[in-house]
Amino acid sequence: DAGITQSPRHKVTETGTPVTLRCHQTENHRYMYWYRQDPGHGLRLIHYSYGVKDTDKGEVSDGYSVSRSKTEDFLLTLESATSSQTSVYFCATGVEWNTEAFFGQGTRLTVV
Amino acid sequence: AQRVTQPEKLLSVFKGAPVELKCNYSYSGSPELFWYVQYSRQRLQLLLRHISRESIKGFTADLNKGETSFHLKKPFAQEEDSAMYYCALQGGGGNKLTFGTGTQLKVEL
Repeated sequence: DAGITQSPRHKVTETGTPVTLRCHQTENHRYMYWYRQDPGHGLRLIHYSYGVKDTDKGEVSDGYSVSRSKTEDFLLTLESATSSQTSVYFCATGVEWNTEAFFGQGTRLTVV
Repeated sequence: AQRVTQPEKLLSVFKGAPVELKCNYSYSGSPELFWYVQYSRQRLQLLLRHISRESIKGFTADLNKGETSFHLKKPFAQEEDSAMYYCALQGGGGNKLTFGTGTQLKVEL
């Protein structure tokens, strides 16, 4: 499973609270991605990173921020969680151009 | 901008029947295309990529640049093929990886 772990695996939080999800990899992959998976919408890219401190927005980045201070960790932060951010979040990593992306197990986040 | 469209949310076929999962894309450059599969309770994983031109588990996919399509095909569906299938496009300077909305394939006996 390419050494990708997400934490926490499940979280319930209240509206308006900040939440940080962590993706940790042991493979020294350069590229890292955060997606959310929702019924009818598939996987939508939130943010991605192409190196330490190099990040860019995906298609649904509003309300989310990321940080990558070292190769192995990619953090996703919801500054002030809303119910619309209830979803399953997936992290993925990639070695280089046109190669396989490896996925984490997912984090189920519920905002009440 | 890059975009991937999978028009079918659900595709139901009988065992032994041919399968075709449709994927169309929009991208201004030369795309790198993939099919990923998610079996029940498992991680999303790569099924195949267009550049390798290989057949995995009996599945093939041909890139048609004229029609901007990358449809996934299998001549005879098996029960174990039941899963969620995602078409994906990789492009841009940051190796941006964009997925379609997915097609749930159900193979019935």
